[in-house]
Amino acid sequence: GAGVSQTPSNKVTEKGKYVELRCDPISGHTALYWYRQSLGQGPEFLIYFQGTGAADDSGLPNDRFFAVRPEGSVSTLKIQRTERGDSAVYLCASSLSRLAGDTGELFFGEGSRLTVL
Amino acid sequence: AQSVSQHNHHVILSEAASLELGCNYSYGGTVNLFWYVQYPGQHLQLLLKYFSGDPLVKGIKGFEAEFIKSKFSFNLRKPSVQWSDTAEYFCAVKHPGTYKYIFGTGTRLKVLA
Repeated sequence: GAGVSQTPSNKVTEKGKYVELRCDPISGHTALYWYRQSLGQGPEFLIYFQGTGAADDSGLPNDRFFAVRPEGSVSTLKIQRTERGDSAVYLCASSLSRLAGDTGELFFGEGSRLTVL
Repeated sequence: AQSVSQHNHHVILSEAASLELGCNYSYGGTVNLFWYVQYPGQHLQLLLKYFSGDPLVKGIKGFEAEFIKSKFSFNLRKPSVQWSDTAEYFCAVKHPGTYKYIFGTGTRLKVLA
């Protein structure tokens, strides 16, 4: 498809379980971002990839959160030992270049809604 | 730390009313400014942006925003709203040459038909 694709769209899990969220960016976009959006809040930066490497993971809340992008395209956000406070919508965005190119535009997916019971 | 403030959390308007949503940011240096919109059930999408030049920026669907450097503001406006403008609006700031976008908490707009 033409847009950023995120799966699953909804995930319900139990406290303590492991979760993976997947993002398929727009083809050719080298920059990929993960954001988290809690209820009533704006998107909160988690991690940024340029190509295969995580250029900035300063937004990851703790070591239970980890993300990979092994081939510079699809990315997976991994959450271990989930807690109820992890419940949120996890947004993925991609852009054309390292500095969001000339357009300055991030292209967002529809998000993965995670609910931890 | 840099921050973006959107003071109006919920706004309800009737169709044809004028709209102004406030956005203030904390950083005093050069910034790139954005408004994103999220329609019900859809993904965030860019409404308009300011990088440099004319501080009055025109976006899609009749929206505009004015950058006032002295007030650290980038307010969004539309002269006459439509029911289809019902959505959540997010202001965001980015420093030139960097990649990190800082978003405000959003304003949920409801337009009554």
